[in-house]
Amino acid sequence: QVQLVESGGGVVQPGRSLRLSCAASGFTFSSYGFHWVRQAPGKGLEWVAIVSYDESKKYYADSVKGRFTISRDNSKNTLYLQMNSLRPEDTAVYYCAKGLKPVTGGGLDYWGQGTLVTVSS
Amino acid sequence: SYELTQPPSVSVSPGQTASIPCSGDKLGDKYVYWYQQKPGQSPMLVIYQDFKRPSGIPERFSGSNSGNTATLTISGTQAMDEADYYCQAWDSNTVLFGGGTKLTVV
Repeated sequence: QVQLVESGGGVVQPGRSLRLSCAASGFTFSSYGFHWVRQAPGKGLEWVAIVSYDESKKYYADSVKGRFTISRDNSKNTLYLQMNSLRPEDTAVYYCAKGLKPVTGGGLDYWGQGTLVTVSS
Repeated sequence: SYELTQPPSVSVSPGQTASIPCSGDKLGDKYVYWYQQKPGQSPMLVIYQDFKRPSGIPERFSGSNSGNTATLTISGTQAMDEADYYCQAWDSNTVLFGGGTKLTVV
């Protein structure tokens, strides 16, 4: 069965960095695009970034462009999110989600359980 | 920038039909996806490409999309359907979510 397990969340000071990971299993990881989506406490879903199946294409939300980097290692079935210059408004539960398609388009058909990132001094 | 608009809340009586709208400029020209999120859980895809149901999603969930509005319809609503629902579409290689609608079954 499909499993997505995020890790790497925690409490970090403003301006510092953090790297999230998402370990995937139960399907052919290298065939699909992958997303990061976040949800601030008590708020709605906010899309963060997508990486294509072969890492050739990456797209970001304006709110994180230039600060966050999405990447993947198909040999390890793992998705990453490098978050730099963190701000208090980046505080959220971060979900990794599998795309229905190799690149853009389609929905997000499987989601991890999420990992909480808290940016606070 | 493109936006998707949902009402913050919708109420429905058990056994009745719930309709949750999602509006956006010429939304009917895009595919719309719907997600259900229950408290403390991750979102779950319930409708893709406007009206298609993933495996395991009950037939009482249906979707439509035309003009400027997409609609998620839940027929014979059950207490277990109480949740937040989000619509989603693509615009310029980015994913957009609506603000979410809290469905209350009372």
